Amino acid sequence: AQKVTQAQTEISVVEKEDVTLDCVYETRDTTYYLFWYKQPPSGELVFLIRRNSFDEQNEISGRYSWNFQKSTSSFNFTITASQVVDSAVYFCALSEVGYNFNKFYFGSGTKLNVKP
Amino acid sequence: NAGVTQTPKFQVLKTGQSMTLQCAQDMNHEYMSWYRQDPGMGLRLIHYSVGAGITDQGEVPNGYNVSRSTTEDFPLRLLSAAPSQTSVYFCASSYGGPTYGYTFGSGTRLTVV
Repeated sequence: AQKVTQAQTEISVVEKEDVTLDCVYETRDTTYYLFWYKQPPSGELVFLIRRNSFDEQNEISGRYSWNFQKSTSSFNFTITASQVVDSAVYFCALSEVGYNFNKFYFGSGTKLNVKP
Repeated sequence: NAGVTQTPKFQVLKTGQSMTLQCAQDMNHEYMSWYRQDPGMGLRLIHYSVGAGITDQGEVPNGYNVSRSTTEDFPLRLLSAAPSQTSVYFCASSYGGPTYGYTFGSGTRLTVV
């Protein structure tokens, strides 16, 4: 079974629209960390956020916000007023503290296309 | 501060050839990993290391070897390249382990013909 599921393969929006990227994870650990990375067309992987399992507060950073809900095992990412520069592939990832503590599990990614 | 440096950026190999992808980091990170990225599959862990002299297998280790003789370097060796190894390869390092997140290199695009 996949540890991290990003069901949206590709999303297209028009500039200034809001968009939410979904991430659902699976773990038996009570302590774990969730991440989002951005991969722009240039190919590098850029760290966006790290969140531990004990902190369910939503986080906002400029136009970006993250909604963490343990009850539904989800860690969704919203971009408000999207811009063309937001076009990228976004990856959600999970790291567990426990037997698999050396592993880092990525979802398959969601490609976001923001059109002008 | 260079971060994680991967060389080469692009490589074309013929089936059966061997080569080494280089990875170096200057952040004194203990944890280093190699991932491959294939369309629709995210990034999959090939091998990882928790410190000099210590390596272990990830999800997809077959066909690859690693060693970690220094903290800074973590080369990935393809023993006998196959078309199935055509992929983008990322090296990553972390100060305290995966729970702290990784810093990634810029990737190596490998094509095996």
